Amino acid sequence: NAGVTQTPKFQVLKTGQSMTLQCAQDMNHEYMSWYRQDPGMGLRLIHYSVGAGITDQGEVPNGYNVSRSTTEDFPLRLLSAAPSQTSVYFCASCAQGRGYTFGSGTRLTVV
Amino acid sequence: AQKVTQAQTEISVVEKEDVTLDCVYETRDTTYYLFWYKQPPSGELVFLIRRNSFDEQNEISGRYSWNFQKSTSSFNFTITASQVVDSAVYFCALSEAGTGNQFYFGTGTSLTVIP
Repeated sequence: NAGVTQTPKFQVLKTGQSMTLQCAQDMNHEYMSWYRQDPGMGLRLIHYSVGAGITDQGEVPNGYNVSRSTTEDFPLRLLSAAPSQTSVYFCASCAQGRGYTFGSGTRLTVV
Repeated sequence: AQKVTQAQTEISVVEKEDVTLDCVYETRDTTYYLFWYKQPPSGELVFLIRRNSFDEQNEISGRYSWNFQKSTSSFNFTITASQVVDSAVYFCALSEAGTGNQFYFGTGTSLTVIP
C-alpha cells in the first residue's frame, strides 16, 4: 500500500516549457487534489476532482490543466511554465469527510 | 475572506514548555470538518487529527490535545511538554460538506522548540 505517489521529486524547467507532474494513489479514494505551497501563503488549491471524469478549478488554476481518467491517477500539466509557478506542489487524496493523505511533494523551479 | 486564520506566524518555546497554536475558521455550513497537519523540516505533510462539526469533545493524544469550540469558531491545538521533534509548521484546515471535499488551509504556524 504505497499511499499517494508523486513524481518527480525535483524539476527545473525553462520558461515556456511544458511538463506533467504525475500523481497516483492506491487507496481507492474518490477525492484528489493538487495544491501548491509558497512561503507565507500556506497551501492553495489548484484543481480538484471528486471522481473519475470529474474535475474542477480551485483557488489558483491559471496555467494548469488536470484530467482524471481513472480513480487512481490525477496528473497536473503545466502548459507553458512561468517563473511564478516556482513552488512546491502536493498531490493529495481522501475519502469523503476524511483527512487528506498527501504525496511527498514536487519541488519545481522555473528559470 | 480567509476561511481559516492562523494568526500566529511563528512561535518559539523552550523545550518542556506548553504551547497552544490557534486556529479560527469561518463557515456557513452546519456540516464541516476540521483538521490539523504537521509539516516537519523534511517537508512531508502529516495528518494529525480530524474533527467533525457535531463533535465538540476535546481530544487528547499523548502530549497533543485539541480544543474545539463552535461558539468561538476555534479549533486550537496544544502541545504539552514540547520537544525538539515538535519543531515544524502546523496547518489547520477546514472542509465543508457541501463543497466537494475542498480543503481550506490556514497559512500555518511555524513552531520552533529550543533545546
